[in-house]
Amino acid sequence: AQRVTQPEKLLSVFKGAPVELKCNYSYSGSPELFWYVQYSRQRLQLLLRHISRESIKGFTADLNKGETSFHLKKPFAQEEDSAMYYCALSESGRRALTFGSGTRLQVQP
Amino acid sequence: GAVVSQHPSWVICKSGTSVKIECRSLDFQATTMFWYRQFPKQSLMLMATSNEGSKATYEQGVEKDKFLINHASLTLSTLTVTSAHPEDSSFYICSARGTGGIQYFGAGTRLSVL
Repeated sequence: AQRVTQPEKLLSVFKGAPVELKCNYSYSGSPELFWYVQYSRQRLQLLLRHISRESIKGFTADLNKGETSFHLKKPFAQEEDSAMYYCALSESGRRALTFGSGTRLQVQP
Repeated sequence: GAVVSQHPSWVICKSGTSVKIECRSLDFQATTMFWYRQFPKQSLMLMATSNEGSKATYEQGVEKDKFLINHASLTLSTLTVTSAHPEDSSFYICSARGTGGIQYFGAGTRLSVL
């Protein structure tokens, strides 16, 4: 069965510092990977997906099939980046998402 | 962007009663909607996939007679928690699959069963 692992429950950095939120997955097929973000008192929303290969709000994520990872990175964290971040996987041919446990990013001034 | 409305946002009910939660895609049609459950400080767990015009597909361990799902139109799916008990207290979240395969999420429903 597929599995998504986010090893850090909390990541605290200072404003301007680089950020890397880790995500590893286990799945034998070709998955589609996503990062979702949930800001305080807001609903879950899509941040980015690996097939788009785009940068959203300064965040990027590269799918590394060899390491089965999809880490989320941003070179300079901003206070408004503070939120809960979930990595999610969709199996090929299946539409449902499997979520990781989430990482709370705290950007301090 | 696409909006998914979930109602109610919070419901308190007595043990043994049934509760219905609605999930609506406001500005797009969704043939597929999903229902998730989230326990405190835990991740979202998929409960079932709701397909318009057909039966829902439930994940292993989810009782289909307990959690009734109806997806009668392209913009509405409902989850009914039947004969609710305190252990059913949780945060329930729906999502709707839009164009490009992106899932748009509702704001969630907090269910408290007394």
